[in-house]
Amino acid sequence: QKEVEQNSGPLSVPEGAIASLNCTYSDRGSQSFFWYRQYSGKSPELIMSIYSNGDKEDGRFTAQLNKASQYVSLLIRDSQPSDSATYLCAVRGSGNTGKLIFGQGTTLQVKP
Amino acid sequence: EAGVTQSPTHLIKTRGQQVTLRCSPISGHTSVYWYQQALGLGLQFLLWYDEGEERNRGNFPPRFSGRQFPNYSSELNVNALELEDSALYLCAVDRGNQETQYFGPGTRLLVL
Repeated sequence: QKEVEQNSGPLSVPEGAIASLNCTYSDRGSQSFFWYRQYSGKSPELIMSIYSNGDKEDGRFTAQLNKASQYVSLLIRDSQPSDSATYLCAVRGSGNTGKLIFGQGTTLQVKP
Repeated sequence: EAGVTQSPTHLIKTRGQQVTLRCSPISGHTSVYWYQQALGLGLQFLLWYDEGEERNRGNFPPRFSGRQFPNYSSELNVNALELEDSALYLCAVDRGNQETQYFGPGTRLLVL
């Protein structure tokens, strides 16, 4: 079992729709969770961080965390073609290791 | 703004050569993290430096090494390059809280 799992996609949604991206993790002691967006050929850009169970909203983005189910999700409302990118889920595991553990990423395509 | 620069942006080397990549945090962030993003393998944690000391390293062979200087800039050295070292090498900083990591633009290394 991979430490952080994401569906690689591609996930294709029409412009204006809600895109739902999912991530599961294996370390129950994980405390910090992050979503990054990565455009082709570029470095990852932080979208959201979430630390507590529940929802956290920032503009068109909502991160959801369920530690009991070891599940993190990212919702993108009113999807735009410019949202087309790879979305990386990252988890900081238990212990002071410094490292983030990344999923393989989900490719999102928003079609005009 | 990530608060970190990397150099060079691109590099081509041949097998067996050695390479040094550089990372310069802005505003004195003390922690620097290195990651490798090889095609098909996702982002993999390489090294964590804080206050000039190596705090943790990922599952990479000893030919991957680095250091952090008193001004908190960092170098990643890779000896005896292999074809599979071709990747995007990313440096990240955490703005002092050792939590959220922000990535620099990366160095793309091609080994022929």
